[in-house]
Amino acid sequence: KAGVTQTPRYLIKTRGQQVTLSCSPISGHRSVSWYQQTPGQGLQFLFEYFSETQRNKGNFPGRFSGRQFSNSRSEMNVSTLELGDSALYLCASSWGAGQPQHFGDGTRLSIL
Amino acid sequence: GIQVEQSPPDLILQEGANSTLRCNFSDSVNNLQWFHQNPWGQLINLFYIPSGTKQNGRLSATTVATERYSLLYISSSQTTDSGVYFCAVDNAGNMLTFGGGTRLMVKP
Repeated sequence: KAGVTQTPRYLIKTRGQQVTLSCSPISGHRSVSWYQQTPGQGLQFLFEYFSETQRNKGNFPGRFSGRQFSNSRSEMNVSTLELGDSALYLCASSWGAGQPQHFGDGTRLSIL
Repeated sequence: GIQVEQSPPDLILQEGANSTLRCNFSDSVNNLQWFHQNPWGQLINLFYIPSGTKQNGRLSATTVATERYSLLYISSSQTTDSGVYFCAVDNAGNMLTFGGGTRLMVKP
């Protein structure tokens, strides 16, 4: 059974640009969550989608957005990139609330 | 929101030693997971354990939900156990809150 797949694995952008990251969940999982990991703030929840609807959102500015497609694949977008957006972005999928989340290998984003 | 504290923040062991990592949380939870993050950043599921005790090889975990803590036991540690161990909890619907982690180094 394939795990959670995130693409790309590495990305380098410059300030002011925008970026889109992709996440394909484990087959059958309808919930996809996104997390940001930085050395200073640790692992923080960004948002969660279930059946194409955003159900929960963390404390991040509106530059961070996402969506989920009918096949449960999800994308997150960050606009007007800032140096502080450099981070490891992790995606997780699960059957639903209260069920274990399974993480992808992450996308490492560097902002120059 | 819910608070999660892990201790100790850093741990150095000699290969073969045993250790106990602790996770305290501030509210009731419907999900508690332990993860191991390897040097490449991969978060590996160790346990899904909102309550009770589980064992998987040299690792075991216990969560006492009524007292709001969980323990991860590592026995006969190996160098491949090195990395960061995270506890994460959820009580609001698929929004994991992570602790600060325990950085473990196992020396040969």
